Amino acid sequence: EPEVTQTPSHQVTQMGQEVILRCVPISNHLYFYWYRQILGQKVEFLVSFYNNEISEKSEIFDDQFSVERPDGSNFTLKIRSTKLEDSAMYFCASKTGTGSNEQFFGPGTRLTVL
Amino acid sequence: QQQVKQSPQSLIVQKGGISIINCAYENTAFDYFPWYQQFPGKGPALLIAIRPDVSEKKEGRFTISFNKSAKQFSLHIMDSQPGDSATYFCAASQGSGYSTLTFGKGTMLLVSP
Repeated sequence: EPEVTQTPSHQVTQMGQEVILRCVPISNHLYFYWYRQILGQKVEFLVSFYNNEISEKSEIFDDQFSVERPDGSNFTLKIRSTKLEDSAMYFCASKTGTGSNEQFFGPGTRLTVL
Repeated sequence: QQQVKQSPQSLIVQKGGISIINCAYENTAFDYFPWYQQFPGKGPALLIAIRPDVSEKKEGRFTISFNKSAKQFSLHIMDSQPGDSATYFCAASQGSGYSTLTFGKGTMLLVSP
């Protein structure tokens, strides 16, 4: 069964460093998302991406964040200068198209900022 | 108005019992209401979902009840099993385009043997 994959599973970085989180969405999906989950809290929307551009972003997704689909398979989230409060689980999700609402989530990347 | 409120925060149920988790929403434009199950260290996985044109949807031991006038929906897990122990999130979205999910805060369910 096709699945969303994410790498790395765990990333440890120093405050102020740049990190890139990688995702490979399901191959025929057209909509891509990043969500984050701070430990013990709810899943929060960051950004959606469709047709090579951002469709919607939350207030969390400030200028420190960027997304890119550098090729036909990868979808990346870059945090330019990490802060302690960026420590969270980051989930990538994808869905097929306008005919479906079902979003498939990857296993997540745990980001720890020291 | 975009919030989805979920209760209880945690729930302990005996094996074979019924687990009930409730959610309420404000935004009447929401038209898709999924429930996600999350095991520790894993991503959320879609369990069951409903649209507001039906009042109930059942898949195996899992049932969503939907009350459009009250803007509430709930998940019932019949014959709860220890393997159902997980965190459950309700969510809501609108439209069929990029349809961002708004999640509730989650319910940690423990089914005791």
